[in-house]
Amino acid sequence: GENVEQHPSTLSVQEGDSAVIKCTYSDSASNYFPWYKQELGKRPQLIIDIRSNVGEKKDQRIAVTLNKTAKHFSLHITETQPEDSAVYFCAASKTGGFKTIFGAGTRLFVKA
Amino acid sequence: DTEVTQTPKHLVMGMTNKKSLKCEQHMGHRAMYWYKQKAKKPPELMFVYSYEKLSINESVPSRFSPECPNSSLLNLHLHALQPEDSALYLCASSQDRRDTEAFFGQGTRLTVV
Repeated sequence: GENVEQHPSTLSVQEGDSAVIKCTYSDSASNYFPWYKQELGKRPQLIIDIRSNVGEKKDQRIAVTLNKTAKHFSLHITETQPEDSAVYFCAASKTGGFKTIFGAGTRLFVKA
Repeated sequence: DTEVTQTPKHLVMGMTNKKSLKCEQHMGHRAMYWYKQKAKKPPELMFVYSYEKLSINESVPSRFSPECPNSSLLNLHLHALQPEDSALYLCASSQDRRDTEAFFGQGTRLTVV
């Protein structure tokens, strides 16, 4: 079955710096890769996603890149702000599969 | 309406109690999910309903019993739970294709005493 590995488990950056979180997946049939942000005590919320026919996607300060050959994808947050502090989960799924496999999560701390 | 609504927000129950968690969405989504999330861990899939039929049961103990009365509602019936079942229970929904965005409810924080 699919396995998603996520690194690092904890990331601490200074406000204004960039943050990068990396994930690898095992199932080459996976074709949808969402990223969720979960603040303490709240629900996971989708912040960006990418499909396998696209190599990069950007939304303001957030970007995601996908390397299908290497089976890895990354989240890039630029100009980090204290409100970016949260746990970020990468995930992978495939069409019709109904299963989203989550990475273990990265706890991001942005220091003011 | 892009909300998935879960009730109750918090629940404390004894090991001999029977309780139910409820989830509702009005986005026309035909897939609904129950996840269990322990502290500092990712959500863990329990059940998937597609068009009101159970599609996936991830070997969940029978003390958890899901029910999908209609396309907008999803219940999780709880009976004879153990303290280790204490967790955040998240409901989610998506369009029937599983490569589209899943919307999560705010969860029910369950404590078994």
